[in-house]
Amino acid sequence: KAGVTQTPRYLIKTRGQQVTLSCSPISGHRSVSWYQQTPGQGLQFLFEYFSETQRNKGNFPGRFSGRQFSNSRSEMNVSTLELGDSALYLCASRELLKTVDSPLHFGNGTRLTVT
Amino acid sequence: GDSVTQMEGPVTLSEEAFLTINCTYTATGYPSLFWYVQYPGEGLQLLLKATKADDKGSNKGFEATYRKETTSFHLEKGSVQVSDSAVYFCAVSGSARQLTFGSGTQLTVLP
Repeated sequence: KAGVTQTPRYLIKTRGQQVTLSCSPISGHRSVSWYQQTPGQGLQFLFEYFSETQRNKGNFPGRFSGRQFSNSRSEMNVSTLELGDSALYLCASRELLKTVDSPLHFGNGTRLTVT
Repeated sequence: GDSVTQMEGPVTLSEEAFLTINCTYTATGYPSLFWYVQYPGEGLQLLLKATKADDKGSNKGFEATYRKETTSFHLEKGSVQVSDSAVYFCAVSGSARQLTFGSGTQLTVLP
């Protein structure tokens, strides 16, 4: 099976712009999560989608949003970019089982730099 | 909410040395526990997991035992290799079934 694919791999944007990141999960995985990774804050949970519905949301401002399509692919959008949004954004997919927590499978991330 | 406290790094060891990275957690319900590893320029990869008390997860020579009484999930390896150099993350999945990660421990193994 192909792994989780994230595009683009690198992005450079200017303050005030908006950006959309894309994620294709492993085939058959219907849950997609997004994380922000920075040297100072570590890995912070953004949100998780399952069957096109947001299941969980982390403590990020409303400028951060996401969606999931019927084929389980997901996009994340950040509007009005700030310098502090520079980070590695990681997407992960998993199967959601009823009784056991299945592990997350991560993509290689999108490195966003805001100047 | 759930939280993970992980041994601060960086950790530098010589090849064939014994490795321990400490991890303790707080979580509601009956959490599952995970160790992930991140190599430079890559995303995180699952290293091992344990889903109930006293379970031992193991993979590639790494081991960790789910200790409910001490709320710990310490990572160990008997003999590290240069190729083990990476950042290691402990994670917990609690009642919200959302993964919460520790701050990560940078491991460098010298030949």
